[in-house]
This record gives sequence, structure tokens and C-alpha cells, in this order.
Amino acid sequence: EDQVTQSPEALRLQEGESSSLNCSYTVSGLRGLFWYRQDPGKGPEFLFTLYSAGEEKEKERLKATLTKKESFLHITAPKPEDSATYLCATQGGSEKLVFGKGTKLTVNP
Amino acid sequence: EAQVTQNPRYLITVTGKKLTVTCSQNMNHEYMSWYRQDPGLGLRQIYYSMNVEVTDKGDVPEGYKVSRKEKRNFPLILESPSPNQTSLYFCASSLTGGGENEQFFGPGTRLTVL
Repeated sequence: EDQVTQSPEALRLQEGESSSLNCSYTVSGLRGLFWYRQDPGKGPEFLFTLYSAGEEKEKERLKATLTKKESFLHITAPKPEDSATYLCATQGGSEKLVFGKGTKLTVNP
Repeated sequence: EAQVTQNPRYLITVTGKKLTVTCSQNMNHEYMSWYRQDPGLGLRQIYYSMNVEVTDKGDVPEGYKVSRKEKRNFPLILESPSPNQTSLYFCASSLTGGGENEQFFGPGTRLTVL
């Protein structure tokens, strides 16, 4: 059974304090690993898709990387507006998308 | 504007009273899906559809029904709701399935079953 585990569950940072979020996965035949951002009471918003180990993608202060067992979301010099819950999801051999429980990020000014 | 819409956004109902939550997308996407989100459990897939008249179960399909008669619409039906179906529901769509395309999510429907 496909599994996605995110850590930490919650992370508090000061503005400008860089850090990383972890997504460990077990999936048969990974076809895509997705990162989403979710603000309270809203639907998840797509950030990145990674397809193979070694791949990296960047968007503003966010950078996602992928290995055969993990993905990291690196946040460089975060700002308060980066506060949100970040979700990782995988799609393997089936058409089902499996989500982790998310990391709630709070960035204090 | 490209979007996924859901209605209603908020619903309070009673046990056993049949309800339907509608979902519509205007992006001509083939793949559509329903999720529920619960504290401590994250997002879990209920049903998905690869195209018109093609649906399949996700991880938590019990107590739910879906249909896909038109490409743009994917309603979620609770024929006899129970309190354990109180949750935040999201509809999503993507161009195709298979992991090649990101899913776009609707704004959510908060359902309370008394």
C-alpha cells in the first residue's frame, strides 16, 4: 500500500530563517510526486510536480527536490505570507493520489 | 477564469437525508476526483473518474456514490448521511490521470451531519 509521511507536523520559523520540510514515501512505480500549499479553509494550491530522483524545481523562495525515498521542500528566507500547510502527494501505479498529513508552517515577522 | 466550483459551500443536514454536492470544472479536464479532509487524517480520496462514465473507488468510498455523465460535472451523492461523514470535502480535476498533470482543487464544501 502506498504511504506518504510528512515531517515535522508543525514548524515555526522566524522571518528569514531558512528550513526544509520532509516527505517520505513508499509507492509502487512512482509516476509523480506533488507539492501543494493549503491556506486555512481553502483548497490546496499546486506548487510542483517531480517525476524522477535527482529532479529539482524552484518557485520564488521554494525549492523542491526528490530522491528515491524522500522529497524535500526547502524554504529560503521565508516571509510571513509563506505561512500555510504544505502537502505532499504521490501517484503510483494506480490512478489514486495519496496525500501526506501535511506540515503546518508558521513564519513569524 | 479556469476553475473548479463546488456547491453548496456549507451544508448542515440530519442523519439519513439524502444530499448531493455538485462539482463542475470549465477546463475540459478528463480526470476528476473527490476528497475528504479530516483533522489528523489529512486528505483522503473518495472516488475518482478517468473520463465520462468511468469511475472508480478511492481509499474511503463507503457511504458515497458518484456519477460522471458529462465531462464537466462530477457530483458526490450521500444517500443516507451519517455523523461520521461530517467533514470538509474537496473536488479536484486534472487534464488527465496518470500523474502527468497537477490537480486543481475547488474551494471546498463543509458538511455537518447531525
